[in-house]
Amino acid sequence: AQSVTQLGSHVSVSEGALVLLRCNYSSSVPPYLFWYVQYPNQGLQLLLKYTSAATLVKGINGFEAEFKKSETSFHLTKPSAHMSDAAEYFCAVSVANNNDMRFGAGTRLTVKP
Amino acid sequence: SAVISQKPSRDICQRGTSLTIQCQVDSQVTMMFWYRQQPGQSLTLIATANQGSEATYESGFVIDKFPISRPNLTFSTLTVSNMSPEDSSIYLCSVASPGAGGYTFGSGTRLTVV
Repeated sequence: AQSVTQLGSHVSVSEGALVLLRCNYSSSVPPYLFWYVQYPNQGLQLLLKYTSAATLVKGINGFEAEFKKSETSFHLTKPSAHMSDAAEYFCAVSVANNNDMRFGAGTRLTVKP
Repeated sequence: SAVISQKPSRDICQRGTSLTIQCQVDSQVTMMFWYRQQPGQSLTLIATANQGSEATYESGFVIDKFPISRPNLTFSTLTVSNMSPEDSSIYLCSVASPGAGGYTFGSGTRLTVV
């Protein structure tokens, strides 16, 4: 079955610094990959998704992710962190649009002033 | 994308009782998924529910504890049975929305068992 591993349960950056959240996937067939954000006491919000089109995917709030098959990675980046980016981020994988989704353990992003 | 109405949004329940969570989708979908998010943790898939057949449960989840109904293509329920404090979690339903952003999630049910 497909799975994802998020490296780093906590990431702390300064405001204005680069944000890099790491995600590696495991799948025997071409995957669909997703990043979700969850703010405290709120539901999940889709940031971006990869579904076998362009390998560099741009999402909302200035985030983007690059699918690298050779590295089985789908890392999330943002050039300049904002205080409002502080949240929990989840990487997720599925293998078809109508199949279940598996989530990583999550990475809590803290942004320091 | 599909819109999901999930009820109740939260509840506080006594141990030993049961709670049924409902999800209504505004369009017909083949598969619905139920997840649990324990405090401070990620989402774990409980089961996949197809209309007209028994739900498929993930390892560690059993039908007696989490019975699921799927009477039609727009509705599903998850019951948390004989609850204990360890069942305190957020429960979410989800459907696949291929053309609109992957998957749509309900707003979640925050369950506290006392």
